[in-house]
Amino acid sequence: SAVISQKPSRDICQRGTSLTIQCQVDSQVTMMFWYRQQPGQSLTLIATANQGSEATYESGFVIDKFPISRPNLTFSTLTVSNMSPEDSSIYLCSGAGGAFKNTEAFFGQGTRLTVV
Amino acid sequence: KQEVTQIPAALSVPEGENLVLNCSFTDSAIYNLQWFRQDPGKGLTSLLLIQSSQREQTSGRLNASLDKSSGRSTLYIAASQPGDSATYLCAVIWVQAGNMLTFGGGTRLMVKP
Repeated sequence: SAVISQKPSRDICQRGTSLTIQCQVDSQVTMMFWYRQQPGQSLTLIATANQGSEATYESGFVIDKFPISRPNLTFSTLTVSNMSPEDSSIYLCSGAGGAFKNTEAFFGQGTRLTVV
Repeated sequence: KQEVTQIPAALSVPEGENLVLNCSFTDSAIYNLQWFRQDPGKGLTSLLLIQSSQREQTSGRLNASLDKSSGRSTLYIAASQPGDSATYLCAVIWVQAGNMLTFGGGTRLMVKP
């Protein structure tokens, strides 16, 4: 299994500012994903982080608001830009290894973001 | 639309009971199904992964079954303990959806001592 570390684990931010969340995996993984979990809700995929190229965003999420980097196979960042209170959520990084889809997905411990 | 549904949304049981959590999905063309546990305000811990060709997986007191034809999975927890209190999420990878996980809404479990 893979161990995924996220930083920061939590933050309280002022509206209008930006926060960058880091995700580090202890082994190379093929796929990395960023999810959002709004209060009391389940997880929604924001985007797939592609190594060396632009992320693939899901409907309702755009690069200007959630820029993502993935410079190598073990690291990715998600930035939440120009934050508003509606961005208050838990943000989770996930990785899945190997070249096939029948692989187990692992998650970081999440970043709890509160925007005031 | 491909959806994952979990019933019940919340469950409270006394310690020691055996219990079943349900997960249903609308499209049987899945690659795999995974069960997770989430403690309040925390990330997800993987419990069990069932490949599309498998019928069940077991880990300790946990047993997960998969019936693709009926679009259902169950997570069986034997001899529940207060430490099992958490939210349990099931997630599916559809064949046509890359490696993206689609999550159910979760079942919030409370095991009372």
